Amino acid sequence: QSVLTQPPSVSGAPGQRVTISCTGSWYNIGAGYDVHWYQQLPGAAPKLLISANSNRPSGVSDRFSGSRSGTSASLAITGLQAEDEADYYCQSYDNSRGSSEFFGTGTKVTVL
Amino acid sequence: QVQLQESGPGLVKPSETMSLTCTVSGGSFRSSSIDYFWSWIRQPPGKGLEWLGYIYHTGATTYNPSLKSRVSLSIDTSTNQFSLSLTSVTAADTALYYCAKGWGNNKGTYFDPWGQGIMVTVSS
Repeated sequence: QSVLTQPPSVSGAPGQRVTISCTGSWYNIGAGYDVHWYQQLPGAAPKLLISANSNRPSGVSDRFSGSRSGTSASLAITGLQAEDEADYYCQSYDNSRGSSEFFGTGTKVTVL
Repeated sequence: QVQLQESGPGLVKPSETMSLTCTVSGGSFRSSSIDYFWSWIRQPPGKGLEWLGYIYHTGATTYNPSLKSRVSLSIDTSTNQFSLSLTSVTAADTALYYCAKGWGNNKGTYFDPWGQGIMVTVSS
């Protein structure tokens, strides 16, 4: 059971902007731990999309951006494309429950 | 560019011990200035991701508290491999198991890159 909650699904038309929320608590995001985001295309391993709240690794499109505020974080995808259809996970450290890395519950992005 | 590859049996019987190995190639297994957190993460069919634990080049380990009594990681820096052992497996341990390179500091750890994953089924 994850301590990071994401909406099960979001959808948008090509070209639109969608956002995915990652809601945590004062034991993880609110405690100042970084939030990271991963994209998992169908049948593939997860790929790092955003590290440390808002940093895009080399090769990741600038259509992806991340932010953090209080006990939550968000991933925004602008100019939505068919190739963005995938599962997205946030991840952070939690210092309760014996301390552990946690992934969010995951969000399926559908391009209409 | 670092690449990771999981290997091991795809079928394990209930109550037995599952062992997987991750081979790291194309990059440094350790660094004098950065701590790498060599990690295992799993994903049950149709479900989300669960972090199992990580091990440092020194052999120090950190495990997911929910699995701590059953998980063990080891490392062999001479062969650039690290391994996962999970005891007393049940059907609930059926999952795609990934190894990954972790980059950490006092604000947490992220995982990049990941191996392609290996499917392990627990069944008699």
